[in-house]
Amino acid sequence: DAKTTQPNSMESNEEEPVHLPCNHSTISGTDYIHWYRQLPSQGPEYVIHGLTSNVNNRMASLAIAEDRKSSTLILHRATLRDAAVYYCILTQIWEYGNKLVFGAGTILRVKS
Amino acid sequence: EAGVTQFPSHSVIEKGQTVTLRCDPISGHDNLYWYRRVMGKEIKFLLHFVKESKQDESGMPNNRFLAERTGGTYSTLKVQPAELEDSGVYFCASSLVGTISYNEQFFGPGTRLTVL
Repeated sequence: DAKTTQPNSMESNEEEPVHLPCNHSTISGTDYIHWYRQLPSQGPEYVIHGLTSNVNNRMASLAIAEDRKSSTLILHRATLRDAAVYYCILTQIWEYGNKLVFGAGTILRVKS
Repeated sequence: EAGVTQFPSHSVIEKGQTVTLRCDPISGHDNLYWYRRVMGKEIKFLLHFVKESKQDESGMPNNRFLAERTGGTYSTLKVQPAELEDSGVYFCASSLVGTISYNEQFFGPGTRLTVL
């Protein structure tokens, strides 16, 4: 599985945008970029995913570099509830599902 | 709709004993995954069921771990005999089997296993 590199931690002020970077220089053409997050004392939860184009959903936006060697998860207005560990994961999508390979992730702290 | 549930939420056992963890996936989800996080380490994949069949068990650490999913519904993960290094949080996740769209994995809250 291709590896990703994320900063260990980041800090943000409440109500401000947050840009969480992820480097994946060895990404293959069929690897999708996924983001999951883990809130304190909970299991991980899906945030967003993409292949080549930028993606938006109700939780966040995903900006993917043209060469796909990096991506950025954007939380448009951080809230205290967004404090979590954010994982950038590469995996291929196929009909019968696929395991997720978690790294250390980025610990996001949100200040009020 | 109920999410993924896991039982028990916390288990404390002594080294050498047996423990069985249970996972109930979201209804209709044929994919079921087990992951675990041991102290200070990253979340690691253990195995993946599609219905009752083991699709990928490459992450199972050794033969002390046995996972089953009889009937393709709930799954159990048995650790026998438990060792100290098995302590950690065990997560279960489920997802749909699909052909076109991406099917996100839904995680349960985890079972915290403490082996003394």
